[in-house]
Amino acid sequence: GEDVEQSLFLSVREGDSSVINCTYTDSSSTYLYWYKQEPGAGLQLLTYIFSNMDMKQDQRLTVLLNKKDKHLSLRIADTQTGDSAIYFCAESPTSGTYKYIFGTGTRLKVLA
Amino acid sequence: SQTIHQWPATLVQPVGSPLSLECTVEGTSNPNLYWYRQAAGRGLQLLFYSVGIGQISSEVPQNLSASRPQDRQFILSSKKLLLSDSGFYLCAWGNEQFFGPGTRLTVL
Repeated sequence: GEDVEQSLFLSVREGDSSVINCTYTDSSSTYLYWYKQEPGAGLQLLTYIFSNMDMKQDQRLTVLLNKKDKHLSLRIADTQTGDSAIYFCAESPTSGTYKYIFGTGTRLKVLA
Repeated sequence: SQTIHQWPATLVQPVGSPLSLECTVEGTSNPNLYWYRQAAGRGLQLLFYSVGIGQISSEVPQNLSASRPQDRQFILSSKKLLLSDSGFYLCAWGNEQFFGPGTRLTVL
């Protein structure tokens, strides 16, 4: 079945690292994505990882992929108040389909 | 550069009234286009996607419909809105799913 799961809430202090976790079910997805949604806005693509990679780093963002456990994580270093938002993971469509599967989103709250 | 527009930004409609939301993309041709709905505090639900003019696939049976009259235009419609149609409607394009700013629909 298709299911992407995330915890609903995460609260961290400013300057700490945040780790947002995601589990997915379809091992045939080629790409896995992380999006950020600020209040009242659309989703902004933050980063993505190709399924044959274990890790990808982009400035303060680090994505880890464990294909065996179907686990994806997003680490934000030195979390700032501007990082407060909802974060969605998503998996790309499998061959022959066009449907992206999004997680339920994790609301990150950064405490000053 | 590519941009995606949605309008209106917000909409308040009575139950039973019609709906038309518009999404347009600039700077690309023949994009895959998607409509999603995000209910309050919940994730994204894929409603429709289109791989070309006049080609619409529906993911969830409901009282909504979609049309793609032009290559870069995607329209979400309803003949009669229900209370449960309230939500945040997002249009997206492309393989990386670039999203528009969304339309907040409230049905009263």
